Parts: sequence; structure tokens; C-alpha cells
Amino acid sequence: GIQVEQSPPDLILQEGANSTLRCNFSDSVNNLQWFHQNPWGQLINLFYIPSGTKQNGRLSATTVATERYSLLYISSSQTTDSGVYFCALNTGGFKTIFGAGTRLFVKA
Amino acid sequence: NAGVTQTPKFQVLKTGQSMTLQCAQDMNHEYMSWYRQDPGMGLRLIHYSVGAGITDQGEVPNGYNVSRSTTEDFPLRLLSAAPSQTSVYFCASSYSPPRVTSGRRETQYFGPGTRLLVL
Repeated sequence: GIQVEQSPPDLILQEGANSTLRCNFSDSVNNLQWFHQNPWGQLINLFYIPSGTKQNGRLSATTVATERYSLLYISSSQTTDSGVYFCALNTGGFKTIFGAGTRLFVKA
Repeated sequence: NAGVTQTPKFQVLKTGQSMTLQCAQDMNHEYMSWYRQDPGMGLRLIHYSVGAGITDQGEVPNGYNVSRSTTEDFPLRLLSAAPSQTSVYFCASSYSPPRVTSGRRETQYFGPGTRLLVL
């Protein structure tokens, strides 16, 4: 099956810093989503981005499907950005595969 | 809209007991799914449904049953609980199944989770 690798596994930032999270995958994908899991466990969809670039406030995402990776950019990080960021993929059929996540902690 | 709701929030079981985790959504979504999340890992798909009366297995289906008698409800049954089933369980839904790049219809919405401990 498809392999999904997220990097880095852990990241500590000072408030106000920028960061880039990466998701590599081993096969072509039909769709790709980025999720944020807050410290209380709630999962929120950030982007639906099978290809191209999207922006939402301080967050943006880029997927280069031909090179099999996606990037999530966080600018001017805030303590509320802390949590775990997951990429999730579909390669056909009805199943979504999640990466192991990047755990982010933003210090005040 | 309440979105996706799950009950209970916490549950402790003894090995061999059975129970049902409830999941409901009020968004008229066709696609519903169950995931488990273990420490340090991403979510793994247990079962999914593309509509009422239609269910199928995900990555880790053993020890779990599902049914979909209505569009709104998608309960997950543990037949005989084992310590290996200690986990956090999430239910999710979307308008469409996750395979066609048609945009927002595949966006998945998650419930708050059920934390299960099997002793």
C-alpha cells in the first residue's frame, strides 16, 4: 500500500516564528487533506488540496502531485497552533490513509 | 447543526465484554467512517460506509462490527473487548467518499472521539 511520511516528527517554535511541515507519499493520489488535532483531541480539516496552492490566513499549503509531496506553511505562529498536524491521502477506492503526524509546540 | 456526535466520551471495559460506540451526524452525509488513534500514531481506518445499508472494511477491521441502517447513524460494535483495543476512537463523515477530486464534498468532519480503556 501507499507509504506516507511526515517530517519533522516533532517541532518546537517560538511564538512568531514560521515553519514548514512536509508530507511525502509513495503513490499518486486522488486527494490530500491536512488536519490539525488540537491539544484536546479535536480534529479540524485545514485544507483539501490534491494539487496546487491554497491559503487561509496564516496557513497555506502546496501539493506537487507529480513529485509526490505536500507542504503546510505556518507563518507568525501562535500558541494556539500547537497540536498535531496530519496529512491524509486517498489513492482510489473509499479509504483515507493518515500519516503519523507532526507534533508542534509553540512557546509563548 | 450539531455536526458529528459520539457517545460515550469515556468508557472502561473488562476483557471479553462487548459494547457499542455511537456515532451520528446531521449533515446528510453519505460517507461515514471509524478510525482508531493509538499513541504516537496517525489514525487507522476500521470500517466505512458509503451509504445506508453499505459498509466495508478498512485497514484494521478485526474485532469490530458496523451497520448503517440510516444515513444519520453509524455505530461501531466491539464484540469481545481485548486490551489491544484500548485506543481513542473517532467517527468522521463527508458528503462524498474520498476518491473523486471534486473539492469540498470530500472534506471530512470528525467527532470529538471516544476514549476506551480495556482492562
